[in-house]
Amino acid sequence: DAKTTQPPSMDCAEGRAANLPCNHSTISGNEYVYWYRQIHSQGPQYIIHGLKNNETNEMASLIITEDRKSSTLILPHATLRDTAVYYCIVRGASNNAGNMLTFGGGTRLMVKP
Amino acid sequence: KAGVTQTPRYLIKTRGQQVTLSCSPISGHRSVSWYQQTPGQGLQFLFEYFSETQRNKGNFPGRFSGRQFSNSRSEMNVSTLELGDSALYLCASGRRDIQETQYFGPGTRLLVL
Repeated sequence: DAKTTQPPSMDCAEGRAANLPCNHSTISGNEYVYWYRQIHSQGPQYIIHGLKNNETNEMASLIITEDRKSSTLILPHATLRDTAVYYCIVRGASNNAGNMLTFGGGTRLMVKP
Repeated sequence: KAGVTQTPRYLIKTRGQQVTLSCSPISGHRSVSWYQQTPGQGLQFLFEYFSETQRNKGNFPGRFSGRQFSNSRSEMNVSTLELGDSALYLCASGRRDIQETQYFGPGTRLLVL
């Protein structure tokens, strides 16, 4: 699976959009971009994933560049409860070889009042 | 739909003992993965089970083992506990499809004294 690079920390003002970048320059054509977040001492929470088109759900939007070498997770109106570590993970499609997730260091997002 | 459940949530053991942790996946999910999270090493993959078969294994010593039952529930066992085994142990479940998204439980926090 391709490796990802994320800034170690970011701040965001409450109510503003939080834009979390992720570089995955070695991504291959069949690899998906997944985002999870982990609020202190809880299990990681799935946020969103995509292959090449932009995706949106009730939690966030995922913008993937045309060359797929980077992506941005957007939390449109950050709240204090969005303070967490955000992980960007690149993973191939499911197959009989398994579905291991490789977590990097993630980005620690601090939402401030 | 109920989420992934893990028992127990907290556990204290002493060096040399063994421990068994349990994970019940989301109903209908047949894949179960286990991860270890420590402050120093972050989130690391332990192993994955699908249909009672281990299909992927991380780089952990043989003291760490697991199994999956016919109802997809899974257990992991750590024998001869060491102080360094103190960690948050996370279980994730998923369906088997091309975009298998994994959903994590709350974790079991193990403290080895």
